[in-house]
This record gives sequence, C-alpha cells and structure tokens, in this order.
Amino acid sequence: DIQMTQSPSTLSASVGDRVTITCRASQNIRTWLAWYQQSPGKGPKLLIYKASVLQNGVPSRFSGSGAGTQFTLTINTLQPEDFATYFCQQYDSIPLTFGGGTKVEIQ
Amino acid sequence: EGQLVESGGGLVQPGGSLRLSCEGSDFIFGHYWMGWVRQAPGKGLEWVANIKQDGSEINSVDSVKGRFTISRDNVKNLLTLQMNSLRAEDTAIYYCMRGGANCGGDCYLDSWGPGTLVIVSS
Repeated sequence: DIQMTQSPSTLSASVGDRVTITCRASQNIRTWLAWYQQSPGKGPKLLIYKASVLQNGVPSRFSGSGAGTQFTLTINTLQPEDFATYFCQQYDSIPLTFGGGTKVEIQ
Repeated sequence: EGQLVESGGGLVQPGGSLRLSCEGSDFIFGHYWMGWVRQAPGKGLEWVANIKQDGSEINSVDSVKGRFTISRDNVKNLLTLQMNSLRAEDTAIYYCMRGGANCGGDCYLDSWGPGTLVIVSS
C-alpha cells in the first residue's frame, strides 16, 4: 500500500495569510493526487485533482503543485471559511490512501 | 454536481450486522464508480470499498474483506454496504462517495455525502 504523509498536522494562521501544506507519497504516484477540505461536521469536499487541477467552483486562491512523491497545497489570502482540515489522497493504485490531515486553525 | 445521502447507521453490538444505504440524485448514478470511505472519531479518512458502474468490479481494503459487501442498484440510484461481523474498530462515520468522471476504480472522489455514524459497542 502507498503511504501518504502530511505535514504539518496543525497549522496556526491568520486571515489574509498564505499557507502551504505538504504531502509526501511513499512511492512515485506521478500526478495522481487529490486534495480535500473538511469542515467540522461535514463530509470532505474535493478541491484539487491530478495534483494541480482546480475542481469546478473552488476559489482560485487554492492551488496545488508537485509530482512523483512531493506535493503541496497552497492557500493564498486565507479566508475565514478556509479554517478547516485538509487531506491529500493518492489514486495511483488501490487501495486508495489518504494523508493524516492538516488542521488549519485560527492563530 | 450530484447529491449523496447516507442512511442506516446506528449502534450495534460486536459481531452484529448493519446495512448502510446511499441514495444519489441530480446525476446519472449508473455512469460513475461509487464507494465508501470511513472516518473513526477524531481520526483521518480510510477508503473502504468501491464498485464499478455495472457492478462487475469491486475493490475493498483488506481489513473488511470477507465481512463487508458493497452493491448497487442503478435503477433505484442506490448504493449499499452490508457490514457483518462488526468490530469495535469499525466504529466510524461512513461516507458515500462518487468517483470522478472518466475514471476507473483508482480515482479522486468528487462528491461526498454528509455521512452516517456507526458505533460498534456492547
């Protein structure tokens, strides 16, 4: 199974900040990586797929980059609704696996 | 975009069974891989199983093989997860999810339900 490791596990930031979350795969997954946002009490929401493709309706302040084993999610100009938990997921092979999550909290 | 709504969660004793359902709407259900992901309280996400558009291909995580069965009814727009021999470690919120367009079983997940809570406890 492919292991996905996210860092940091918690990130404190303020409205207007730029934040970066990192996801590392235990083997080469090319660009088969997705990012999700989960707010408390809700199901996850797809933000980005194929490492850098923005899902329809997702604000352009979200961006993704990377290939192989190293990936990043960047949120420019953090908004109040962005305080949530973020997960990466590889879909290079079954079983699909997720990172442990990064909670973005208010500083 | 599509809507998904799960039902069937609840409290069950270890060794017991439970059947989860997920109803899809506002999209052509039979055109997509569908599946389940779970999240133990306060923990991360774990993919459980998925099923091909026509039901001819099924994948699942090793920890549920032989205990959980995924199935679908494309006429009723319904996805089900039959869970048998439940264990305490199966306690989680179970999310129904849809695979992305033009994808196989190994895909991103572009629509999720709000989840249904399963508690396995005596």
